[in-house]
Amino acid sequence: DAGITQSPRYKITETGRQVTLMCHQTWSHSYMFWYRQDLGHGLRLIYYSAAADITDKGEVPDGYVVSRSKTENFPLTLESATRSQTSVYFCASSEGGWSYNEQFFGPGTRLTVL
Amino acid sequence: AQKVTQAQTEISVVEKEDVTLDCVYETRDTTYYLFWYKQPPSGELVFLIRRNSFDEQNEISGRYSWNFQKSTSSFNFTITASQVVDSAVYFCALSEGTGANSKLTFGKGITLSVRP
Repeated sequence: DAGITQSPRYKITETGRQVTLMCHQTWSHSYMFWYRQDLGHGLRLIYYSAAADITDKGEVPDGYVVSRSKTENFPLTLESATRSQTSVYFCASSEGGWSYNEQFFGPGTRLTVL
Repeated sequence: AQKVTQAQTEISVVEKEDVTLDCVYETRDTTYYLFWYKQPPSGELVFLIRRNSFDEQNEISGRYSWNFQKSTSSFNFTITASQVVDSAVYFCALSEGTGANSKLTFGKGITLSVRP
């Protein structure tokens, strides 16, 4: 089905472990984003990508790594998970420059770091 | 710097009541875009509307209407005759500029509960 998918939907891990959250979109949108949603903070941008092999930091990038070797995939890696990274993570994509294009969101991944 | 304030954190209404969700923004740019997104209990964010800074016309879509007032830097969202299915978290967001270096900043969201 067309759209934007995230996997896994739920993940429990331990402090210090590496975790990778996957994001896949079928629209061939050039822009992709990773947000985290925390109570009292709304959504905060972690990283974004304007095209394959082009990524840049958002508001809260520390502790995260991204890559984008293919247009349709934008994985987010927590290199050494910490409890403060317990959150709901949303991937999004948009067709063009993100100031005027709406973003389409995936279903989210709920990550718990013990 | 840009900022989006959604001062209401939780609103509870009875079905068929009208409800207005407030959004106040701050920006120094003359060109910017405002958005509303809905996050139902299923969790996925759904785009509702976009408004650019040069278009102050109010918009109505079914039971939804939006009031954009640059003079007060507000972009309020009204649901008329609310229904239980309107229960969700609603986010207002602001984007400045026209290039890839612009940012989309979300407010903290308003949780709307519509009781039968």
